[in-house]
Parts: sequence; C-alpha cells; structure tokens
Amino acid sequence: DAGVTQSPTHLIKTRGQQVTLRCSPKSGHDTVSWYQQALGQGPQFIFQYYEEEERQRGNFPDRFSGHQFPNYSSELNVNALLLGDSALYLCASSLESGYNEQFFGPGTRLTVL
Amino acid sequence: GNSVTQMEGPVTLSEEAFLTINCTYTATGYPSLFWYVQYPGEGLQLLLKATKADDKGSNKGFEATYRKETTSFHLEKGSVQVSDSAVYFCASFMDTGRRALTFGSGTRLQVQP
Repeated sequence: DAGVTQSPTHLIKTRGQQVTLRCSPKSGHDTVSWYQQALGQGPQFIFQYYEEEERQRGNFPDRFSGHQFPNYSSELNVNALLLGDSALYLCASSLESGYNEQFFGPGTRLTVL
Repeated sequence: GNSVTQMEGPVTLSEEAFLTINCTYTATGYPSLFWYVQYPGEGLQLLLKATKADDKGSNKGFEATYRKETTSFHLEKGSVQVSDSAVYFCASFMDTGRRALTFGSGTRLQVQP
C-alpha cells in the first residue's frame, strides 16, 4: 500500500518564477492538505482540498493556489516566487470522515534564489 | 486562536536516559493532540495521539497524557536510543473552524551513545 508521494523531491527556482508541486494521497484517502515548513520551524497550514474544492485556507496570499483532481491527487502552485517561499512543502492526506489523522509525504524542498 | 508551544531544543541526552519534551496548547475548546516525529531528510510521521482529556497515547516506548487542567501534552520515554534522534513536533487539531493541524516549532533531540 503506497503512502503519500510527492514530486519533485527538490526544486530550485529564481524570484518571480512560478512553481507547481504534486502530491498523490495514500490509497483510499480523499482529502489533501498542504503545509509549508520553513527551516527550523513547524509546518504552517496552507490549504485543504476535498471533492476537488478548496475547503479550508490558512494565512497565505493568493499567490498560493491549488487544485485537486478526480483521482484525489493534488497540485500546489506558487506564483511570483519570493526568497521567503524557500521551504519544505508537505502534503498530507486523510479521510474526510476522520481527517484529523493526517499522513504526511516526504515533502518537496523548494529553494528560491 | 489555537497555538502550541514546545520547549526549545536541542535536547541532548545519553543513551538510556529519560526523556521529557514539554508541550502546552491554547484552544477555544478541546482539541485532539498529536506528537509527530521528523527524521533527517524525511516528512512527518505520526508518533502518538490523544483525542480527549486524560487519554494516554503511546507508541514505540513513547507516551503522552492529555492534561486538560494544565493544557499540556508532554512527551516522555523511559530510555532513549540513538535511533530516537530526530525533531519532535507537538500539534493540535480542532474539529471546528479551520480544521487543520496547528504545530509547535519543534524540538530537536540528539541522543549520544
């Protein structure tokens, strides 16, 4: 049973560029949440997707957007990258019925130069 | 709003020493509480959880008790091993409002042989 997978593992971009990160949830899970983890900090909630819609959102600007596909996989898009967007981006999946128990992927390390 | 506060690290212990990592929370209500562990270069793994007051979560020799009166969820282990070296995150989850995990800033544990 595959767990949560994310791609790519690492990514280097320059300021002003756009980036797309991808996540496949654990088999059977229908809800995907995205978190940003800056170096030395705890993860911060970005947003959550269920039934292909953004259901909850944290305190992140509109530059951060996402999408969920019919197979429950998800993308995180960040436009107009800033140096401060450099972080580990974590995807977590869960079942809507018990979605406080979240399973995390290994993350995508984004570096903005 | 909800918040989680953890003791600052790093915590450095010798193998077989007793471990305590303090965690307190603030919330409007009674959240579920979690400890996650992050090994170098990896995502987060759920270590244990407790969903109501006086519940004790336990796993792999670690345990934590949900104390409503002190709003705490301290992590303990009787005898640490070198393989326990990692970053530990305390987190809370409310089933109302934002419905997302709120993390502490993490505590790095270093166990020396």
